[in-house]
Amino acid sequence: GAGVSQTPSNKVTEKGKYVELRCDPISGHTALYWYRQSLGQGPEFLIYFQGTGAADDSGLPNDRFFAVRPEGSVSTLKIQRTERGDSAVYLCASSIEVNTEAFFGQGTRLTVV
Amino acid sequence: GDSVTQMEGPVTLSEEAFLTINCTYTATGYPSLFWYVQYPGEGLQLLLKATKADDKGSNKGFEATYRKETTSFHLEKGSVQVSDSAVYFCALSPAPDSSYKLIFGSGTRLLVRP
Repeated sequence: GAGVSQTPSNKVTEKGKYVELRCDPISGHTALYWYRQSLGQGPEFLIYFQGTGAADDSGLPNDRFFAVRPEGSVSTLKIQRTERGDSAVYLCASSIEVNTEAFFGQGTRLTVV
Repeated sequence: GDSVTQMEGPVTLSEEAFLTINCTYTATGYPSLFWYVQYPGEGLQLLLKATKADDKGSNKGFEATYRKETTSFHLEKGSVQVSDSAVYFCALSPAPDSSYKLIFGSGTRLLVRP
């Protein structure tokens, strides 16, 4: 596609449930990033992939959060045992290389009730 | 740790007014600095960037100069348009000339009235 695609655009889940958020980066982009944006705040870095490997996962808040990129393209952010505090917009971005412009998707708005 | 502070909004201006959105940063080393814009219903878009001290980034009439002595990267535009209404985010990357691990400010909403 023309840009970074994230699905679903909205997700409502009950506290304690498991969710998966999907990111389709721009074709050919080797670097992929996940950010989390809470209401009224700027995005916060979660994890960075270079190819298939997580090069830096220092932003993941705890071990309930996990992300994969098995074939170096699509990435899935997985959240176990969701909590109300996980409610936020989850943004994905990709770039050709780590030192080039990052292009952002429109995000997935996650609401935990 | 590294951080970005930007002026709180909303900023409300009339069309053709001069715009300044203040941004200051705290960082070790030599960060790259960015302004991103988020138009209603759209994803974040890179507006401009500067990768070293005294560099000026510019795009679509917007400008910002990397001031190391004042640790600032204020966004300016001489004459705003209604179409500039959006949320503007100042950001830094700790690594030189990189988009890696961006640290964002909290955003400033700009509303331009006709």
